[in-house]
Amino acid sequence: EAQVTQNPRYLITVTGKKLTVTCSQNMNHEYMSWYRQDPGLGLRQIYYSMNVEVTDKGDVPEGYKVSRKEKRNFPLILESPSPNQTSLYFCASSEVAGQGVTYEQYFGPGTRLTVT
Amino acid sequence: DAKTTQPNSMESNEEEPVHLPCNHSTISGTDYIHWYRQLPSQGPEYVIHGLTSNVNNRMASLAIAEDRKSSTLILHRATLRDAAVYYCILRDLNSGGSNYKLTFGKGTLLTVNP
Repeated sequence: EAQVTQNPRYLITVTGKKLTVTCSQNMNHEYMSWYRQDPGLGLRQIYYSMNVEVTDKGDVPEGYKVSRKEKRNFPLILESPSPNQTSLYFCASSEVAGQGVTYEQYFGPGTRLTVT
Repeated sequence: DAKTTQPNSMESNEEEPVHLPCNHSTISGTDYIHWYRQLPSQGPEYVIHGLTSNVNNRMASLAIAEDRKSSTLILHRATLRDAAVYYCILRDLNSGGSNYKLTFGKGTLLTVNP
């Protein structure tokens, strides 16, 4: 079954304690991305990756790091989490299309992070 | 980025058709119209997309106005499982990696009554 998985699904942590949220896809997609969803603000992109070792900032990258060492994995790293990073996080993946072609994006089930 | 406008909420009865409107008066010639939905406690899910012509798939139909300034997502027979927030999103595919980003607005909250 084609899917994007995220772990953990729920996480409560304390300010400053480094954490990693993993994301993995089994569809051989080149493109992967992280979003955060907050009430009233919708989904906002944090980072994205067009392929292995190619990453770039989205709209809200401050306080986050990512890496793309393998095609299937795109972990989100919070080196020193703060309470304003309490949010619902989604990972997404997609094929990379040629000019004028579009593909659907597949989303993971979400990770609910609480930083106290 | 071209923006979309959707009603905040709509209500439907089970097994009846639902027409979800979206206005995108500043759409450019290279913008595709995408629809995603987000069921409660789940990640967004792709529904359908189109450029100029009407489109059908197993989930829904997409009707695009001739001037492309509006579109309508049609669920032919709403079920309780269709209760979700529906997002209409424009994507310009001619501008590189940053345009793989999906810009989600507030969407339309669809309630389906049994």
